[in-house]
Amino acid sequence: GAVVSQHPSRVICKSGTSVKIECRSLDFQATTMFWYRQFPKKSLMLMATSNEGSKATYEQGVEKDKFLINHASLTLSTLTVTSAHPEDSSFYICSATGQGFDQPQHFGDGTRLSIL
Amino acid sequence: QKEVEQDPGPLSVPEGAIVSLNCTYSNSAFQYFMWYRQYSRKGPELLMYTYSSGNKEDGRFTAQVDKSSKYISLFIRDSQPSDSATYLCAMSPIMFSGGYNKLIFGAGTRLAVHP
Repeated sequence: GAVVSQHPSRVICKSGTSVKIECRSLDFQATTMFWYRQFPKKSLMLMATSNEGSKATYEQGVEKDKFLINHASLTLSTLTVTSAHPEDSSFYICSATGQGFDQPQHFGDGTRLSIL
Repeated sequence: QKEVEQDPGPLSVPEGAIVSLNCTYSNSAFQYFMWYRQYSRKGPELLMYTYSSGNKEDGRFTAQVDKSSKYISLFIRDSQPSDSATYLCAMSPIMFSGGYNKLIFGAGTRLAVHP
């Protein structure tokens, strides 16, 4: 149980392109979803938290207009990297948690984004 | 001082060895403790999730929490080459008001189990 699917797993695109990443909870209702960024050999850096039907809460230093997050349903959240540039190249990972303050986060398999 | 300290390793052990991975933390508000395993180019996989002090066992894995010392451990018995991965400790405080469990991660320890 507690499977989180993330798509696509790999994206290569030109500078200036907008890229959308999907995160789905397959077998549970995700009241909260999280988006992380991970640099090589580094730990996860939380970018934003989203609750279904609400605006996302962004961490300090994360540009809201650059990283658009939508959590339209209890099983789907999307991260759109707008007008991506080479410095946005990274490993993006989502996680989801069910209802209840004691529920752990379950992670997707990440999306490797490369901007040329 | 970081909220969560974890030795990044790398840690190299022979197959069959007992592995001990550790994290220390400074915030006494942390009440939930997790260990995640992350293979290269994959997302973290939840291994263990504990709330109280003491030990929790699941197969070859044992998680230990000592809240008085602010110290958590993960033990892997009979380690296998397939255990080679990065192990991340994570912790969060209790959110009573319907909030979310924001996780604070350790840096991750890279483990290599060689045949």
